[in-house]
Amino acid sequence: AQSVSQHNHHVILSEAASLELGCNYSYGGTVNLFWYVQYPGQHLQLLLKYFSGDPLVKGIKGFEAEFIKSKFSFNLRKPSVQWSDTAEYFCAVNAQTDKLIFGTGTRLQVFP
Amino acid sequence: KAGVTQTPRYLIKTRGQQVTLSCSPISGHRSVSWYQQTPGQGLQFLFEYFSETQRNKGNFPGRFSGRQFSNSRSEMNVSTLELGDSALYLCASSYTGDGANVLTFGAGSRLTVL
Repeated sequence: AQSVSQHNHHVILSEAASLELGCNYSYGGTVNLFWYVQYPGQHLQLLLKYFSGDPLVKGIKGFEAEFIKSKFSFNLRKPSVQWSDTAEYFCAVNAQTDKLIFGTGTRLQVFP
Repeated sequence: KAGVTQTPRYLIKTRGQQVTLSCSPISGHRSVSWYQQTPGQGLQFLFEYFSETQRNKGNFPGRFSGRQFSNSRSEMNVSTLELGDSALYLCASSYTGDGANVLTFGAGSRLTVL
């Protein structure tokens, strides 16, 4: 069965610090990869996605993620975080026609 | 265009009762998925419906059920509520539910079981 692991449960950063959130998945076939974000009091929304092609994908608000197939990883990065990036971040994966499986989430707190 | 609408937004029930939650997908979306969100567990997949048929199912007991209507609106029902069912229930829709479709989420229905 597919599974998604997010090793960082809670990350605390100061503004302008760099961010990297880890995501690993277990599935041997072709997968689609996503990062979703949930800002306080708001809907879960898509941050970025990878289906195929360039393994480095760029999303909204300066976020990017790199798909490394050999490591089954899809880590999220941002060079300089802002206070407004405070949110919960979820990595998710699915196979071509299967359900979307989410990780347990990483809570990011950014202090000014 | 209107987003995914979930009702009710908040509800409080007692153990043993049952609850029905409703989800109206984005117009044109035919796939509806349901997730349970709890602190520390993240989002756990309940089930997915497409064209009134349950296409995928998660590992939840039979107390959790759902259905989809011909207009793609979906409902989920939880019978014999337990304290552990307290959670945010999220509905998400997409055009076809295929892997490359992006899910659009609603605001959720927050259920508290006392």
